[in-house]
Amino acid sequence: DAGVIQSPRHEVTEMGQEVTLRCKPISGHDYLFWYRQTMMRGLELLIYFNNNVPIDDSGMPEDRFSAKMPNASFSTLKIQPSEPRDSAVYFCASKGGGEQYFGPGTRLTVT
Amino acid sequence: LAKTTQPISMDSYEGQEVNITCSHNNIATNDYITWYQQFPSQGPRFIIQGYKTKVTNEVASLFIPADRKSSTLSLPRVSLSDTAVYYCLVRRVGFKTIFGAGTRLFVKA
Repeated sequence: DAGVIQSPRHEVTEMGQEVTLRCKPISGHDYLFWYRQTMMRGLELLIYFNNNVPIDDSGMPEDRFSAKMPNASFSTLKIQPSEPRDSAVYFCASKGGGEQYFGPGTRLTVT
Repeated sequence: LAKTTQPISMDSYEGQEVNITCSHNNIATNDYITWYQQFPSQGPRFIIQGYKTKVTNEVASLFIPADRKSSTLSLPRVSLSDTAVYYCLVRRVGFKTIFGAGTRLFVKA
């Protein structure tokens, strides 16, 4: 398996623009997680899905953030409108019966 | 979930054994202790998990005393490539996983 795939790996955008981050989990995994990592706040869980259904989105910072999982092999995290404070590395992870497997992350820079 | 406390950073030299201790005083009966490793510019990677006593795999050993209020991750003979952040987590089935600040291990030549 190729592992968790995220795209793009790097994204630079201007404040106010819409940003969409994509994730393909490991085939067969029924949990998907979105995390954000910054130097100041560390690794924060934003939202997670089980069998494509959002279970806990209490970590989503505000209404500008939204996440979807239309099927078992794809998820998106959207920020609209983006702000400079959203600059961070965003990780997607998936889990089957055991531990979480993380993707390589998307480094987002909002100028 | 039980809060975890671990050192912010540690230094070591190549070839030494490194022990990172994590405190989790309020651990519950159903909780497991899990350790992840994160290299720069990569996502965290699972290292080892245990419930009690000792667990060993090809990467590390995990020592958990009988009261389970702490755990120690042991890395034998570290190399420069073991420089990373190590996270101690307390996991409970059905609950979300919370990552703390972790321990930054720096291995010197």
